Amino acid sequence: GAGVSQTPSNKVTEKGKYVELRCDPISGHTALYWYRQSLGQGPEFLIYFQGTGAADDSGLPNDRFFAVRPEGSVSTLKIQRTERGDSAVYLCASSFGAPSEEQFFGPGTRLTVL
Amino acid sequence: GQQLNQSPQSMFIQEGEDVSMNCTSSSIFNTWLWYKQDPGEGPVLLIALYKAGELTSNGRLTAQFGITRKDSFLNISASIPSDVGIYFCAGKTGTASKLTFGTGTRLQVTL
Repeated sequence: GAGVSQTPSNKVTEKGKYVELRCDPISGHTALYWYRQSLGQGPEFLIYFQGTGAADDSGLPNDRFFAVRPEGSVSTLKIQRTERGDSAVYLCASSFGAPSEEQFFGPGTRLTVL
Repeated sequence: GQQLNQSPQSMFIQEGEDVSMNCTSSSIFNTWLWYKQDPGEGPVLLIALYKAGELTSNGRLTAQFGITRKDSFLNISASIPSDVGIYFCAGKTGTASKLTFGTGTRLQVTL
């Protein structure tokens, strides 16, 4: 498709488990962003990639969260030892990379930790 | 993380009415953006503002970049049922690409 896609759309897991969330950006977009949106809140920044490297990971809440983008396209957000407080919608966005460029958002992955 | 303050938090209006909402920050932004989010979807950009004092329109939407760089306003004229959704402001500083979002304004339009 033409837009940002995220899989799975929903993920239910148990406390303590490991999860991976995938983002396919718009073709040709060099910048990729991950945000987390808790219920009733606005999205909060997690990490930003420019190409393959993480240009800004200041929003990752702790070392249980990690993201990769090995070939500069698809990105995976990895969460270890999940906690109930990790439950949220995880949004991915991509852009052409210049600071003024519009970020296009995917539909998100709803993560529920039981 | 930091969230910008948006008001009102929610509003019920009748079709045809005009709507105003605003967003304030304790810090300065160089870019202000307004997004709309529908259920189960990601935010979609409505208007982008790049200069203090700038007033920009997109159809029935008009937004302003506050002169202090710490606030922004969004107006929707002659609301229609499809305007229902959650509106978020977002700010960007300098050349940083991360967006800082507001807490959202939920708009509901009655016939």
